[in-house]
Amino acid sequence: DAGVIQSPRHEVTEMGQEVTLRCKPISGHNSLFWYRQTMMRGLELLIYFNNNVPIDDSGMPEDRFSAKMPNASFSTLKIQPSEPRDSAVYFCASSLDRTKPNEQFFGPGTRLTVL
Amino acid sequence: AQKVTQAQTEISVVEKEDVTLDCVYETRDTTYYLFWYKQPPSGELVFLIRRNSFDEQNEISGRYSWNFQKSTSSFNFTITASQVVDSAVYFCALEQGGGADGLTFGKGTHLIIQP
Repeated sequence: DAGVIQSPRHEVTEMGQEVTLRCKPISGHNSLFWYRQTMMRGLELLIYFNNNVPIDDSGMPEDRFSAKMPNASFSTLKIQPSEPRDSAVYFCASSLDRTKPNEQFFGPGTRLTVL
Repeated sequence: AQKVTQAQTEISVVEKEDVTLDCVYETRDTTYYLFWYKQPPSGELVFLIRRNSFDEQNEISGRYSWNFQKSTSSFNFTITASQVVDSAVYFCALEQGGGADGLTFGKGTHLIIQP
């Protein structure tokens, strides 16, 4: 299995630009999670989906952030407009079945730098 | 609300020494799951162990062992005979309830193994 795939691996953009991060979960996994890692705040859960439906988005920092999961094999996290404080590593993770806790498999992350 | 505390920000030991990483958690749920993840310098998050709240049996996997004590809300991780390759940031995490929801991570402990 290829594991969780994220793209791009690195993104550098200027303040005010739109940024779209992409994630392909492991085939057959029903749950998908977006996390953000910063030095100040550590690893934080932003949003998660089950069977393509958003379950909890209380971790999304503000309205500039949005996430979608149009099908079982693809999700996006969009920041519009981006700000320097959004600079972080964004991880996507997937797990097999929400009805019981399973290991979450993490992607390699996208390192976002907003200038 | 749930919380995970890793009081040790950084630990440095000489190779072959034993080292214990502390993790203390807070939750109101009676059913919950605890995890440890490793983040090597390359940045990916690697799953190490999952433990449910009803199983206080200690676990050993090679040089790794975990001590779960509900009485003190702790889930400590010990590496025996440490090796340079063990150098990484280690995260303890909590998942509340009986389903696969998002993880609440501690701030991590940076472990440095000196040759």
